[in-house]
Amino acid sequence: QQQVKQSPQSLIVQKGGISIINCAYENTAFDYFPWYQQFPGKGPALLIAIRPDVSEKKEGRFTISFNKSAKQFSLHIMDSQPGDSATYFCAASRFGSSNTGKLIFGQGTTLQVKP
Amino acid sequence: AAGVIQSPRHLIKEKRETATLKCYPIPRHDTVYWYQQGPGQDPQFLISFYEKMQSDKGSIPDRFSAQQFSDYHSELNMSSLELGDSALYFCASSLFSDTQYFGPGTRLTVL
Repeated sequence: QQQVKQSPQSLIVQKGGISIINCAYENTAFDYFPWYQQFPGKGPALLIAIRPDVSEKKEGRFTISFNKSAKQFSLHIMDSQPGDSATYFCAASRFGSSNTGKLIFGQGTTLQVKP
Repeated sequence: AAGVIQSPRHLIKEKRETATLKCYPIPRHDTVYWYQQGPGQDPQFLISFYEKMQSDKGSIPDRFSAQQFSDYHSELNMSSLELGDSALYFCASSLFSDTQYFGPGTRLTVL
């Protein structure tokens, strides 16, 4: 059972366009939602993360929108560039005295930005 | 800035052999996580350690074991390797349960 569902599976965007990737989660105990970028054969690299006490977080061209009531969050990449072509994973975890922060990943989205 | 170091980067083994993967966390990080990523799949959590004690366990086969040593490096031991164990194995480290930083991974191929 996939606890974090991600869509779309693949995405093609023109250079300069906006890339939007969506995720939905089931467990309301999750309280940390990061996005990772992964290039082929490389380790995931943290892009941006959000906690449920805010509805939006922006860092440069990357923005996370978070909807706690809908249990959904999304990544927006503004002014998409060919160098953004990679696989993007959303993830969720929960902290606390009895939890360890293990990441539960979505299925991933392969983004291709065309020049 | 120092990153997570994993060795070896590539490993080729035969079925039923054993493999040992090593992870050196970012200095002062006290928590290590291991993930397995199959081709075209998302990373799956295997096991984690906090202050040298196992803190959580995921879908890790009984053939696998891991530990964290006094210098905080961690090793994942895999025995009786199967073809299905071929994957990328990532180690991530964090300070307590904060942001996880991933290493470059070890690509294990079982023939």
